Amino acid sequence: DIQMTQSPSTLSASVGDRVTITCRASQSAETWLAWYQQKPGKAPKLLIYKASTLESGVPSRFSGSGSGTEFTLTISSLQPDDFATYYCQQYNSYSRTFGQGTKVEVK
Amino acid sequence: EVQLLESGGGLVQPGGSLRLSCAASGFTFSNYAMSWVRQAPGKGLEWVSAISGGGSPYYGGSVKGRFTISRDNSKNTLYLHMNSLRAEDTAVYYCAKEGEWEPNYFDYWGQGTLVTVSS
Repeated sequence: DIQMTQSPSTLSASVGDRVTITCRASQSAETWLAWYQQKPGKAPKLLIYKASTLESGVPSRFSGSGSGTEFTLTISSLQPDDFATYYCQQYNSYSRTFGQGTKVEVK
Repeated sequence: EVQLLESGGGLVQPGGSLRLSCAASGFTFSNYAMSWVRQAPGKGLEWVSAISGGGSPYYGGSVKGRFTISRDNSKNTLYLHMNSLRAEDTAVYYCAKEGEWEPNYFDYWGQGTLVTVSS
């Protein structure tokens, strides 16, 4: 199975900050990588797929990049609604796997 | 509008069984792979199992041999049969629709159903 490792586990930031989350794969996921946002008590929400394609309706302040084993999610200017936990997920293999999550909290 | 509605969660004793259901609407169910993803209390997301539109199953290592995924395309319903349940299976179980091919990302999610394994 492809293991996914996110960093950091927790990130403290302020409104307006540029935020970057990294996801590393134990072997190549090519560009088959998605990012999700989850708020407490809610189901995850798809933000980005194929490493850099923004899901319809997702604000343009979210962007994704990377390929192979290293990927990043960037929020260009953090908004109050963006405080949440973010997960990466690879789908290059039939054993889909998630990263352990990155909680973005108020600084 | 895509809707996924899980049901069947509850309290079960260790070693027991439970069947989860996910009723789907708003898309051509038989054309898409579907997955179950779980989240233990206070923990991250864990992919559990997937099934192709044609019925080919895939399982995560922690549930292989104990859980069985199935689907009834005539009823637009996804199932997860869970046997030999353990305390570590306690989680919210989400049903998720995949993109147009498999494996894929999850573009729609249900609201989740809680399974608690405890004596």
